[in-house]
Amino acid sequence: AQSVAQPEDQVNVAEGNPLTVKCTYSVSGNPYLFWYVQYPNRGLQFLLKYITGDNLVKGSYGFEAEFNKSQTSFHLKKPSALVSDSALYFCAVRAAGRRALTFGSGTRLQVQP
Amino acid sequence: GAGVSQSPRYKVAKRGQDVALRCDPISGHVSLFWYQQALGQGPEFLTYFQNEAQLDKSGLPSDRFFAERPEGSVSTLKIQRTQQEDSAVYLCASSLGNRGSYNEQFFGPGTRLTVL
Repeated sequence: AQSVAQPEDQVNVAEGNPLTVKCTYSVSGNPYLFWYVQYPNRGLQFLLKYITGDNLVKGSYGFEAEFNKSQTSFHLKKPSALVSDSALYFCAVRAAGRRALTFGSGTRLQVQP
Repeated sequence: GAGVSQSPRYKVAKRGQDVALRCDPISGHVSLFWYQQALGQGPEFLTYFQNEAQLDKSGLPSDRFFAERPEGSVSTLKIQRTQQEDSAVYLCASSLGNRGSYNEQFFGPGTRLTVL
């Protein structure tokens, strides 16, 4: 069975500073990894995905994520945080042969002005 | 174009009542998913359709939960004899591809179910 761990319930960062939101996963076979963002009273919005290829994946709103197979990690990063990036972020994994996503428990990102 | 829509957005039910939650996926999307999101948690998979076929229902928590997509577009999640532990946000998602694709899922705003 697959699983996702997001070890930080909340990440605080000052506007303009780089941000990292951590994610580790466990899955049999090749992982397919996703990041989603959730704003209050809105659905999950897709940010980026890793399927295969380059370990550094670029996505929406200036976010990127680095796939590290040896550490089974897929950390979300952004070089310069904005106050508007404050939201709830979810990492998800999909095992080969299945369509269902398994989500982590989420990390709340708070960017202070 | 329009995204995934869900109705109602909020539903309050008395324990023991039956409820039906509707999902309208993005037009042309083959795959449709239902997830349950408890307060403070990540979404948990319930069931998956490819067109009208329910290919995976391994996440449905009990036989009180039933989902259908009879014409391969709109889907309904039905919960019979609701219990307090059914209180959660129910999310619907759709994606373009079939079983072998890696397309991302697009989520609706969810239906918040409160069982009193």
